[in-house]
Amino acid sequence: GAVVSQHPSRVICKSGTSVKIECRSLDFQATTMFWYRQFPKKSLMLMATSNEGSKATYEQGVEKDKFLINHASLTLSTLTVTSAHPEDSSFYICSARDPASGRETQYFGPGTRLLVL
Amino acid sequence: AQSVTQLDSHVSVSEGTPVLLRCNYSSSYSPSLFWYVQHPNKGLQLLLKYTSAATLVKGINGFEAEFKKSETSFHLTKPSAHMSDAAEYFCVVTSNDYKLSFGAGTTVTVRA
Repeated sequence: GAVVSQHPSRVICKSGTSVKIECRSLDFQATTMFWYRQFPKKSLMLMATSNEGSKATYEQGVEKDKFLINHASLTLSTLTVTSAHPEDSSFYICSARDPASGRETQYFGPGTRLLVL
Repeated sequence: AQSVTQLDSHVSVSEGTPVLLRCNYSSSYSPSLFWYVQHPNKGLQLLLKYTSAATLVKGINGFEAEFKKSETSFHLTKPSAHMSDAAEYFCVVTSNDYKLSFGAGTTVTVRA
């Protein structure tokens, strides 16, 4: 099946700094990628939809200036957590839609665990 | 709008016995339904999907699910549980905007 990677897998940063997380589709081109946040022992919450070549679409309640998303190419989307604070600590997961697998199917990255001290 | 309700937050089974994870959905459109599995500190792996073809869907690792429109259900089953099946399972629904709506998840533990 299609493979999606994320980098880094784990990051620890100081409060007030910014952190960039990369999401790559390795063997397919993804015009649409999605960013999710998962709290411990909780389900996934969709944060935003990342569209190649255009602005991301954010879900209600997600701060656009806090979570910057860039989808620069058909295989790469980045999420930057700006001025991170301890409450931003979470597990961030991206997914990518592979058109060849059917429009509905999304493949998920392994996730990035962010800890803000 | 669409939503998913997973009826069991935790299921515990003995190795070799059947597993049943229950999921009910609501959707304004003809839905596509998925089951994903997540092992600890890992991403999600697609187990199977229903997209308006056969109502009985077979997935990986011996799992299958049956779409029942009259009951708005999409329960996941496996005839014989293995220790490696211990994980978190998510029932997911999507409609025509590609966005996924996740259930709260069911934690499966397998007893030796």
